[in-house]
Amino acid sequence: EVYLVESGGGLAQPGGSLRLSCTASGFNFQNEEMNWVRQAPGKGLEWVSHINIAGDGPFHADVVKGRFTISRDNAKGSLYLQMDSLRVDDTAVYYCVRERENSFDMWGQGTMVTVSP
Amino acid sequence: DIQMTQSPSTLSASVGDRVTITCRASQNINRWLAWYQQKPGKAPNRLIHEVSILDSGVPSRFSGSGSGTEFALTISGLQPDDFGTYYCQVYNYYSWTFGQGTKVEIK
Repeated sequence: EVYLVESGGGLAQPGGSLRLSCTASGFNFQNEEMNWVRQAPGKGLEWVSHINIAGDGPFHADVVKGRFTISRDNAKGSLYLQMDSLRVDDTAVYYCVRERENSFDMWGQGTMVTVSP
Repeated sequence: DIQMTQSPSTLSASVGDRVTITCRASQNINRWLAWYQQKPGKAPNRLIHEVSILDSGVPSRFSGSGSGTEFALTISGLQPDDFGTYYCQVYNYYSWTFGQGTKVEIK
């Protein structure tokens, strides 16, 4: 079976840090470009970060640039998002997503991140 | 960055109706336009990529069209299971942008 499973969400204080993880199964993870997409409560979808197959030159949305870092471990079939200097408006469900045809064809179930004093 | 304007924001229609959701891009996006359906409490599901290519398992009543800056998702014969929120998404040079979403309700 093909799936993505996120973990690491939870409650953090403003200025704090969290590290999200995503484990892939059922497909050749090392050959796929990957992303994180988030959705604030009751709001729409927002792309956060992209990483290519080799892990080179990751890209981040302007709103998280300099605070979030995407990385991957192909040997473990895992994707990560290191989130530092968290802000209240980073509160969202974070989805790990596989990218094909410059869009997102597979999504995890999401992990909730809440940033609150 | 490319801006996407999606309309309408909500849509109420009856079973069997033909419904259309549109997305307008702030600049030409070639063919990198996708559509997603999201049910409450669930992750989104991609329906269409590259403007008009249906993903595997997506019913043929869904279709995508458009070019340049104007794109549309059409549901020909709305079914009860088609409720949810629909999003368009565009890609342009390592930036991915979603439309604001269209909530589809069944009358």
